[in-house]
Order: sequence, then structure tokens, then C-alpha cells
Amino acid sequence: GAGVSQSPRYKVAKRGQDVALRCDPISGHVSLFWYQQALGQGPEFLTYFQNEAQLDKSGLPSDRFFAERPEGSVSTLKIQRTQQEDSAVYLCASSLDASGVLGETQYFGPGTRLLVL
Amino acid sequence: DQQVKQNSPSLSVQEGRISILNCDYTNSMFDYFLWYKKYPAEGPTFLISISSIKDKNEDGRFTVFLNKSAKHLSLHIVPSQPGDSAVYFCAASANGVGTYKYIFGTGTRLKVLA
Repeated sequence: GAGVSQSPRYKVAKRGQDVALRCDPISGHVSLFWYQQALGQGPEFLTYFQNEAQLDKSGLPSDRFFAERPEGSVSTLKIQRTQQEDSAVYLCASSLDASGVLGETQYFGPGTRLLVL
Repeated sequence: DQQVKQNSPSLSVQEGRISILNCDYTNSMFDYFLWYKKYPAEGPTFLISISSIKDKNEDGRFTVFLNKSAKHLSLHIVPSQPGDSAVYFCAASANGVGTYKYIFGTGTRLKVLA
């Protein structure tokens, strides 16, 4: 079956522009996660959805970052007024469920590489 | 505060030999641990996982060992193959307290020499 897909794969933005990054999770997966990966680092958690509910947004670095998943499937991560420090790979992951089951594996998409000039 | 640490940025191993990648963690609430493999320009690919109720999990050439008292886990790959050359990330989560996000280490670049 199809894995997690993300679009665009690459995005170049001028500082101050708004960007929107899309994630299509694996069909039927309840949980969706966004991570940010800076060069030479591991992915860092941004936010988590269970269906359409955003249950944790503690990792969003500023109020310029906004994520939504209105119908509990596709998710969009929006970054307003982009800054150079926003340059990173943005990874989306989904898992079947995360409602207390011990150990639910997250499956990652290929990421969107964002470069802010 | 780095809760998950991979202290070896890189590792080179001869083809056919064993590769051992190490990971240390500080948070005693972590109860689920995973290893991901990442090729350039691709997302992390799930490799193997282990829950805190076990101390070993094996899947083909890959074995993960967990030492809870030392807060240490390791990934053994045997025999190593050139196609195993990639960056390996360990990750941990604390599912038991309802925190499902993964905390990742900084990765170890494995190079398997033919």
C-alpha cells in the first residue's frame, strides 16, 4: 500500500513569504505527527494530531507555525513570514493509533526540504 | 537537554562483520524505543523496535538490545552489507504517560566497506 506522501518535496521561499506544506498519511492511520529536522540533527517534534484534534503543539517554535488536519486525514503545516532559521526538512509521520497502546510505530514521509533565502 | 544521545557520529565496518550502534537516554519514563535508517533525500525508514518489557528483539540481521538499568540500547547488524550504509537514528517515547512523540538522537552514519 501507499506510504506517507508529502508535497512539495522542495520549497524555496524568500524571507517573509508564507508557505504551506502538505502531508497525506497512510490510509486509516489515526495519528499524525510533524517533525522538523535541521542539518546534522535528528528530527524534532512539532505537533501531533489524533484524527482532526490537535492534541499536542508544544514543539511549534513560534506562533508563525500553524498546523491543521480538518477532516482527520490530510494535514497542512503552514509557516507565516518565513525566516532563515526556518530552513530545515519538515517530516510528517503517521501511526495506526496512539491511544495508549504500548508502542505504536510511526511511519515517515520523504519530507519537504524548505530553504528560506 | 539531550534526552537521547548517540555519541558516535560515524562508524565504518567491513562487509560481513558486525556493526554495533549505540544509544543512551536519560528519561526513565521512556518505554518504547526504535531504530530508523535514513538514506539521503529520503525520510527515516523504520527498522526495529523494542518495548521496555523486553531486553532483546531480533528481526533477521538486526537485533536491538535494551539495558534499562544503564539506560542504554544498541543495534547490532550482522552480517553488515554495503546497502546498510546510511544514517541510523535511535528514538524513544513515553507512551505510558500519554506522550506519543518520539525523541530522536542526532544519528550515527554507518559506512559498510566492500
